Amino acid sequence: AQSVTQLGSHVSVSEGALVLLRCNYSSSVPPYLFWYVQYPNQGLQLLLKYTTGATLVKGINGFEAEFKKSETSFHLTKPSAHMSDAAEYFCAVSSSSGGSNYKLTFGKGTLLTVNP
Amino acid sequence: NAGVTQTPKFQVLKTGQSMTLQCAQDMNHEYMSWYRQDPGMGLRLIHYSVGAGITDQGEVPNGYNVSRSTTEDFPLRLLSAAPSQTSVYFCASSYGRLQPQHFGDGTRLSIL
Repeated sequence: AQSVTQLGSHVSVSEGALVLLRCNYSSSVPPYLFWYVQYPNQGLQLLLKYTTGATLVKGINGFEAEFKKSETSFHLTKPSAHMSDAAEYFCAVSSSSGGSNYKLTFGKGTLLTVNP
Repeated sequence: NAGVTQTPKFQVLKTGQSMTLQCAQDMNHEYMSWYRQDPGMGLRLIHYSVGAGITDQGEVPNGYNVSRSTTEDFPLRLLSAAPSQTSVYFCASSYGRLQPQHFGDGTRLSIL
């Protein structure tokens, strides 16, 4: 079974400050990891993904995340927050045990507020 | 390029009514899924499909039915609506089972 834990349902930062959104996962097989962003009244959009290879992945809008296997973590960061980053962010893990079986499991989300 | 299109965007039902939420994608994706989103719960998988004619249950399938007769369409049916099914429903599609998903804008469903 796989699971995702996002630490902190609400994170508040000042404009220009570092953004750090935490995600820990569990998976019995090598995972694929994703961060999605959801703006109000919209669907989810992919920010970035980790499949294999380089553990530091860069996404859209200046976000990046680092896959740390030893810590089972995939934290999302951005050096300098912008007002337009205010949204809800979801971490997700996907893995396959073979055949047609696959599941994408989402964390419960972290609402990011950016203060002027 | 339309991507994933969901209809309707809003719907109010009475308890016991049935309805179908429509989802269509124009990207020739094999994999399609339905999720529900509730406050503080994240997204929970209802049903998914790995190709036309193949569907399977997700985490919360009770009270919902799906079929996949074509690659493009993946409708979700509520058999007998209950207040507990008040939620925002998202349809998503992807190229492969481990690939990023493309989401529709959601259907906001209220059941009285």
